Amino acid sequence: SAVISQKPSRDICQRGTSLTIQCQVDSQVTMMFWYRQQPGQSLTLIATANQGSEATYESGFVIDKFPISRPNLTFSTLTVSNMSPEDSSIYLCSVRGGDQPQHFGDGTRLSIL
Amino acid sequence: GQQVMQIPQYQHVQEGEDFTTYCNSSTTLSNIQWYKQRPGGHPVFLIQLVKSGEVKKQKRLTFQFGEAKKNSSLHITATQTTDVGTYFCATSGTYKYIFGTGTRLKVLA
Repeated sequence: SAVISQKPSRDICQRGTSLTIQCQVDSQVTMMFWYRQQPGQSLTLIATANQGSEATYESGFVIDKFPISRPNLTFSTLTVSNMSPEDSSIYLCSVRGGDQPQHFGDGTRLSIL
Repeated sequence: GQQVMQIPQYQHVQEGEDFTTYCNSSTTLSNIQWYKQRPGGHPVFLIQLVKSGEVKKQKRLTFQFGEAKKNSSLHITATQTTDVGTYFCATSGTYKYIFGTGTRLKVLA
C-alpha cells in the first residue's frame, strides 16, 4: 500500500492564525481526501482534493476556511484559516488508487489557544 | 444524505470475552469496509466486503455483510488487550467514503 507522510504531526496555534498541513504520497494516486476527526468522534470528510482543479467540498465546509491545493498526483495541502478553538481537531489525509482501499496518513493533531 | 450507524457506541469487555459491533444503513450499500483506530493513531484498513451475505475471517476477526446489503458486523473472538481501539465501518460511493459512528472497545485485563 502507499506510504503517506503527513506534516506537521501536531501543532499548537494562536486563534486567528492559519496552518497549512502537507500530505505526500510515495506513488501517484487517483483520489486524495481530507478529513476532520473531532475528539471521540467519527471521521467527517472535508473535501476531495482534485489534481489540477478546485477541490470538491462537503456540506458545511468552504474554500475560504479550508483552502486545498493538489498540484500533482502525489501531493496535497490543506490550510485551516483564521483558526478558532472550535477548529481543534485531528486532520487526516487519505488516498485511494483504483480498486485499492483507502489508506490514511498519521494525522495532524491541532490545538488552538 | 446517507448515514451509517454503529452500535454499540462503547463496549467494555474482559479479556477473553467475545465482542461484536454492528453497522446499519437505511439504504442498500454497494460495499462495506472496516477500519481500526488505536488510541492516538489513525484508521487502519482491515477488510472490504462487497457481496450479499459475504463472510470473511482474519484470525480472531469475522466480518459479515448482510443478505440485503444494509448491515454488517465485526465479531472478535476471545478479545485481547491488543484489540483495544475504535472500530469504524465505512461505505464508498463513486468517489468518496462515508464513515460509521464507530464503536470504542476497551478490553480489561
